[in-house]
Amino acid sequence: EAQVTQNPRYLITVTGKKLTVTCSQNMNHEYMSWYRQDPGLGLRQIYYSMNVEVTDKGDVPEGYKVSRKEKRNFPLILESPSPNQTSLYFCASSLLALGTYEQYFGPGTRLTVT
Amino acid sequence: AQSVTQLDSHVSVSEGTPVLLRCNYSSSYSPSLFWYVQHPNKGLQLLLKYTSAATLVKGINGFEAEFKKSETSFHLTKPSAHMSDAAEYFCVVNEKLTFGTGTRLTIIP
Repeated sequence: EAQVTQNPRYLITVTGKKLTVTCSQNMNHEYMSWYRQDPGLGLRQIYYSMNVEVTDKGDVPEGYKVSRKEKRNFPLILESPSPNQTSLYFCASSLLALGTYEQYFGPGTRLTVT
Repeated sequence: AQSVTQLDSHVSVSEGTPVLLRCNYSSSYSPSLFWYVQHPNKGLQLLLKYTSAATLVKGINGFEAEFKKSETSFHLTKPSAHMSDAAEYFCVVNEKLTFGTGTRLTIIP
């Protein structure tokens, strides 16, 4: 089944404790991205990747890191999480970066930073 | 620069009545436009997309949207609401996937 998976689905952590949220897709998509969803703000893009070893900042990159060493994986790293990073996070992928291609979304990771 | 505005944060309709969710966009060139739906505690799913072919686009679950360049709009409609349509709907524009802030649709039994 074609899908985007994220782990963990739920995470409660404390300020400053490094964490990684994994994202994997099995569709051989070139383009992958991370979003955060906050009430009243819709989804905002954190980082995106056009292909292996090619990543770039989205609209809200501060406090996050990403890497794309393999085509299928695009982990999101929070080196020193803070409470303002409490949010619902989505990973997405699409065949190419062109605007006409559908994005496939993972199920989401709900992160709480205390 | 691109932007998208969803004009209503919350819409309530009775089951069996029409649904209208409004979206206006701004784009410096011919846009690609999408509507995504997010059911409670689920990820986002594509409803339909406009990519400069037919201006009336049909999607899944009986939804459709009409691209109106003169009004810079891409409103989502459905003739008859069903209880399963209760969800949050996002209008999205172009390559950077600029999301609107979402419209929560409530269906009244």
